[in-house]
Amino acid sequence: GAGVSQSPRYKVAKRGQDVALRCDPISGHVSLFWYQQALGQGPEFLTYFQNEAQLDKSGLPSDRFFAERPEGSVSTLKIQRTQQEDSAVYLCASSLGGPGNTIYFGEGSWLTVV
Amino acid sequence: TQLLEQSPQFLSIQEGENLTVYCNSSSVFSSLQWYRQEPGEGPVLLVTVVTGGEVKKLKRLTFQFGDARKDSSLHITAAQPGDTGLYLCAGEAAGNKLTFGGGTRVLVKP
Repeated sequence: GAGVSQSPRYKVAKRGQDVALRCDPISGHVSLFWYQQALGQGPEFLTYFQNEAQLDKSGLPSDRFFAERPEGSVSTLKIQRTQQEDSAVYLCASSLGGPGNTIYFGEGSWLTVV
Repeated sequence: TQLLEQSPQFLSIQEGENLTVYCNSSSVFSSLQWYRQEPGEGPVLLVTVVTGGEVKKLKRLTFQFGDARKDSSLHITAAQPGDTGLYLCAGEAAGNKLTFGGGTRVLVKP
């Protein structure tokens, strides 16, 4: 596809369930990012991959959050034992890599934990 | 911790009026970017400013980067309903990592 694709677009999870959010970056993009956006706020950085290497995971809020990109393309963000405060939009973004390259965002996965 | 503060948080104006959104940082970033985000969509890049004192224009939008590269502004002339959205500034650090401000929600009423 032409842009960053995320699935599912909407997810309702019961508290305590595990969820997996998928990101298909733009083909050929080396860098991949995950951001969390709470309602009415700006996105907050979660983690960053360069190819398959996770170079920065400083933004992951707890050890319940785990991200992977095993083949350097598709990435999955997994949240274990979801809690209500995990409710947010999870945005994936990709770029060619390096400073000055445009970062393209997906439409996001809306997670509601009930 | 690098922080970006945007003001105002919310702006409601009539079509044809001008508006300015401000973005202030506690530190210097390698570049500063402005995005617009519409409901149900991801942020879309409007412009990147790199050099202190830089001014960029995009149709009715004018972006300025402060001399010290810590603050920026977005000015919209003769706003239209299509300008409605969430405007986000973001500072770029090493590795393309972005730190976003809290956003300014703009509503342009016809």
